Amino acid sequence: DIQMTQSPSSVSASVGDRVTITCRASQGISSWLAWYQQKPGKAPKLLIYAASSLQSGVPSRFSGSGSGTEFTLTISSLQPEDFATYYCQQANSFPRTFGQGTKVEIK
Amino acid sequence: QLQLQESGPGLVKPSETLSLTCTVSGGSISSSSFYWGWIRQPPGKGLEWIGSIYHSGSTYYNPSLESRVTISVDTSKSQFSLKLSSVTAADTAIYYCARGSASYYYDHFDYWGQGTLVTVSS
Repeated sequence: DIQMTQSPSSVSASVGDRVTITCRASQGISSWLAWYQQKPGKAPKLLIYAASSLQSGVPSRFSGSGSGTEFTLTISSLQPEDFATYYCQQANSFPRTFGQGTKVEIK
Repeated sequence: QLQLQESGPGLVKPSETLSLTCTVSGGSISSSSFYWGWIRQPPGKGLEWIGSIYHSGSTYYNPSLESRVTISVDTSKSQFSLKLSSVTAADTAIYYCARGSASYYYDHFDYWGQGTLVTVSS
């Protein structure tokens, strides 16, 4: 199985801050990576696919980059509605695996 | 707008079989462009992929659950289903159904159901 490791596990930030979350794969996955946002009591929502493609309707302050084993999700200017938990997921091989999540909290 | 809705018992006894159905509306479950999957999340924990079923009928399961899992599709009802046998308390989780979208360069879950909590307890 490909292990996905996110860092940090949590981050405290203020509105307007730039936030970067890292996801590392235990082996190369090319660009087969997606990022999801999950708010309490809600289903995950797709933000980024193919490592860097923005899902339709997602604000442009979200961006993704990387390939191979290291990926990043960046929120350029944190908004109140962005406080949530973020997960990466690889689709290079089965079983599909998720990172453990990064919780973005209000500072 | 595509919608997915999970349904099934919220309480299952240990050693019994958990059965959930996902009803798809606002789009075709038969499209070859998409596949269908189940993901679960124990309370307060992260996401775990359970398995997926493709238009061809092929299924892929998480090896950690493979001996107990069956995913099937009923196109006439626009539904797909999950069966998980011999459940224990460790199977207590929110279960999500989702649509998968894949091409030569991407593969991801783009629509999710709201999730349903299944508790395993006697």
